[in-house]
Amino acid sequence: DIQMTQSPSSLSACVGDRVTLTCRASRTIGNYLNWYQHKAGKAPKLLIYGASSLQSGVPSRFSASGSGTDFTLTIGSLQPDDFGIYYCHQSHSVPYTFGQGTEVEIK
Amino acid sequence: QVQLHESGPGLVKPSETLALTCIVSGASISDYYWTWVRQSPGKGLEWIGYVSDGGSAKYSPSLESRVTISLDTSRNQFSLRLTSATAADTAAYYCARLFGAYFYALDVWGQGTTVTVSS
Repeated sequence: DIQMTQSPSSLSACVGDRVTLTCRASRTIGNYLNWYQHKAGKAPKLLIYGASSLQSGVPSRFSASGSGTDFTLTIGSLQPDDFGIYYCHQSHSVPYTFGQGTEVEIK
Repeated sequence: QVQLHESGPGLVKPSETLALTCIVSGASISDYYWTWVRQSPGKGLEWIGYVSDGGSAKYSPSLESRVTISLDTSRNQFSLRLTSATAADTAAYYCARLFGAYFYALDVWGQGTTVTVSS
């Protein structure tokens, strides 16, 4: 199985801050890396697919990059609604796997 | 607009079968891949498996001996069956669409349904 490791496990930042989350795969997955935002009691929401493509309707302050084994998700200017847990997910090989998540808190 | 809705019992007894259905509207299940994901209390997201547009399925090795995901094209829905349920299967269960054109990202999700395994 491909292991996905996210860092940090949690962070606290102010509105307007630039925030960067990282995700590392245990072996190369090309661009088959997706990012989701998950808020308690709600369905996860797709933010980024294919490592860097912004899902329709997602604010442009979200961006992502990477290929192979190392990936990043950046929130350009953190907003109050951006709290939640962010998961990376590899869809390169079965079994598909998720990272353990990064919890984002707004100070 | 594609919408997914999970249904099924919220309480399952240990050793019994956990069975959930995902009703799909706004898209034909014969045109996409479909998947189940769960989140146990206090834990992250866990991929359970998927069923293809043609009805073939792939599963997580940790659940493969107990899980079946299948299509019901006549009702435009797909289902999850997990046999020999234990407390470890207590979780929020989500169904979602796997979109091939999006690198098989999960682009549409149901709201989720909570299942508790307890006597």
